[in-house]
Amino acid sequence: GNSVTQMEGPVTLSEEAFLTINCTYTATGYPSLFWYVQYPGEGLQLLLKATKADDKGSNKGFEATYRKETTSFHLEKGSVQVSDSAVYFCALLNAGGTSYGKLTFGQGTILTVHP
Amino acid sequence: GAVVSQHPSWVICKSGTSVKIECRSLDFQATTMFWYRQFPKQSLMLMATSNEGSKATYEQGVEKDKFLINHASLTLSTLTVTSAHPEDSSFYICSEAIESIQYFGAGTRLSVL
Repeated sequence: GNSVTQMEGPVTLSEEAFLTINCTYTATGYPSLFWYVQYPGEGLQLLLKATKADDKGSNKGFEATYRKETTSFHLEKGSVQVSDSAVYFCALLNAGGTSYGKLTFGQGTILTVHP
Repeated sequence: GAVVSQHPSWVICKSGTSVKIECRSLDFQATTMFWYRQFPKQSLMLMATSNEGSKATYEQGVEKDKFLINHASLTLSTLTVTSAHPEDSSFYICSEAIESIQYFGAGTRLSVL
């Protein structure tokens, strides 16, 4: 079945540091890919998405490029802020089969940014 | 603004009682909603897919009689945890799908004493 593997955390950075959170996937067909962010005590919010190979999703300074050749969707930000501290989830939308329309999530990566 | 409203945000109950969690679509008519469970510091586990006007589709290993899902209208889906026990304590999150994007509620933290 489909699966998503995220870089293990937690990740601790100083403010203004560069962020990379790795995400690779295994899927049949051509899934859409997402990054969701979860702030403490809250539900998930869509951060960015990409629907086909070579698409780049971007939002709030975060970027991720859909790389079909490496089956990856790594999240990057050039300069993190304390307010970016949260849990980040990589996910794919199953494109077919019995799991059509369902999201498969990675395990989540906890990011803590210190002033 | 929020697309999905989930209520309550936090509930404490005694063992053996039932708890109902509501998930409302605010801006759209949600034909399909999803219910997830999240354990501390872990990912989301899909429990069931809720379809308006029909029975929910449960994922393997999820007890249908324990977690009752009702989707009686296009804007409301409910999850009832029946005869709750301490092991049911968790964070429950609903979502609705709009054009292949899922929008999540803020979640409900259930603590069973």
